[in-house]
Amino acid sequence: EIEMTQSPATLSVSPGERATLFCRAGQSVTSNLAWYQQKPGQAPRLLIYGASTRATGIPARFSGSGSGPEFTLTISSLQSEDSAIYYCQHYNNWPPIFTFGPGTKVDIK
Amino acid sequence: QVQLQESGPGLVKPSETLFLTCGVSDGPITGYRWSWVRQPPGEALEWIGYVSHSGSTGYNPSLKSRVTISVDTSKNQFSLRLSSVTAADTAVYYCARSVGYSYGLSRFGEYNNYYMDVWGKGTTVIVSS
Repeated sequence: EIEMTQSPATLSVSPGERATLFCRAGQSVTSNLAWYQQKPGQAPRLLIYGASTRATGIPARFSGSGSGPEFTLTISSLQSEDSAIYYCQHYNNWPPIFTFGPGTKVDIK
Repeated sequence: QVQLQESGPGLVKPSETLFLTCGVSDGPITGYRWSWVRQPPGEALEWIGYVSHSGSTGYNPSLKSRVTISVDTSKNQFSLRLSSVTAADTAVYYCARSVGYSYGLSRFGEYNNYYMDVWGKGTTVIVSS
């Protein structure tokens, strides 16, 4: 089973500033990496899949990059509504297993 | 837009079996994998397992011995059974649609990528006597 780690655990950013979140796989992986946003009391929302493709309706300020084992989610100009926990998720082919990272909490300064 | 709705008891006694159902509306159940994900209070997301429309399954190794996920295409729904529950199984349980695509071949088969693009609102399950 591939372990996913995320850093930092918490990130405090001023509105309009850039936020950079990191996700690392425990071994070299393909680009089977997705990012989700979760606000309190809500279900997760898909932001990015395939490491860098924005999901439908996701604002352009969200971008993903990287390849196994290190991936990055960047929020180019943080808005107040971006305060949330962000999770990365890897999909392994053989055996077929989904693994989530522990999450990064983004706070607005 | 497809919608998912979890249903089932909110309270389960220790050692008993948790049973949840996810109804799929405004969209087909065929062509996708359907996952269950849970989140204990204050903790991260944990994938439990998936079922495809054809009934093939995949489970989290840490839960595999206690989990069964099944699909009923005639009712457009899929279900989760988790046996021998303990307080550690207290969580919000989400159902989610997993969509995938192929991008290559290896000696083992196709390279696929899956991700969860539609989620239910979640249902809270508490394990307590």
